[in-house]
Amino acid sequence: DTAVSQTPKYLVTQMGNDKSIKCEQNLGHDTMYWYKQDSKKFLKIMFSYNNKELIINETVPNRFSPKSPDKAHLNLHINSLELGDSAVYFCASSRSLSQETQYFGPGTRLLVL
Amino acid sequence: AQKITQTQPGMFVQEKEAVTLDCTYDTSDQSYGLFWYKQPSSGEMIFLIYQGSYDEQNATEGRYSLNFQKARKSANLVISASQLGDSAMYFCAMREVSSNTGKLIFGQGTTLQVKP
Repeated sequence: DTAVSQTPKYLVTQMGNDKSIKCEQNLGHDTMYWYKQDSKKFLKIMFSYNNKELIINETVPNRFSPKSPDKAHLNLHINSLELGDSAVYFCASSRSLSQETQYFGPGTRLLVL
Repeated sequence: AQKITQTQPGMFVQEKEAVTLDCTYDTSDQSYGLFWYKQPSSGEMIFLIYQGSYDEQNATEGRYSLNFQKARKSANLVISASQLGDSAMYFCAMREVSSNTGKLIFGQGTTLQVKP
């Protein structure tokens, strides 16, 4: 069983569209995250959630709206997609906010045309 | 200011030899964690090893060890007996406990190529 799963794996869409990426973890973790990896492979956190509550929004445009319906899921909805949103988006989870290892999903490769 | 610095964009190593990937960090926190992740060409992020700032012993996980030098603020990854499957990008990351956000701060990454 995959510990952290994301769907879809690939997403190709037109500028201006709205899209969602789903993330699920079956590790029983309390904390989930979204990271963005740009074309230069640089990884940066976007959001962290703990027990379904938003902990940080790291200067992400409000076109990005995460939603955590329960502790096992953290979905990412993106409105009005722009060319600069093209990237790989990783979901991750950890047992808690403290010094715990984060386990990453396989990533979603988003290409905005 | 860059909090995590990986100064080697690319490295080569001969199969079966050991290789050290450099990582330096900058924090004023007393309590923090240091992590290494591997990203093969398939794209997933694989956790390799963790070192807590209060851990006195260097962390080891199989062929991976973390050379932790707190005074120098360095956390180098040592891979022993390199294998072809070790060819990948390697990221060093830090979490500062005081932020209480769980946020991992990543370095720029080092691409490692293992030669047969």
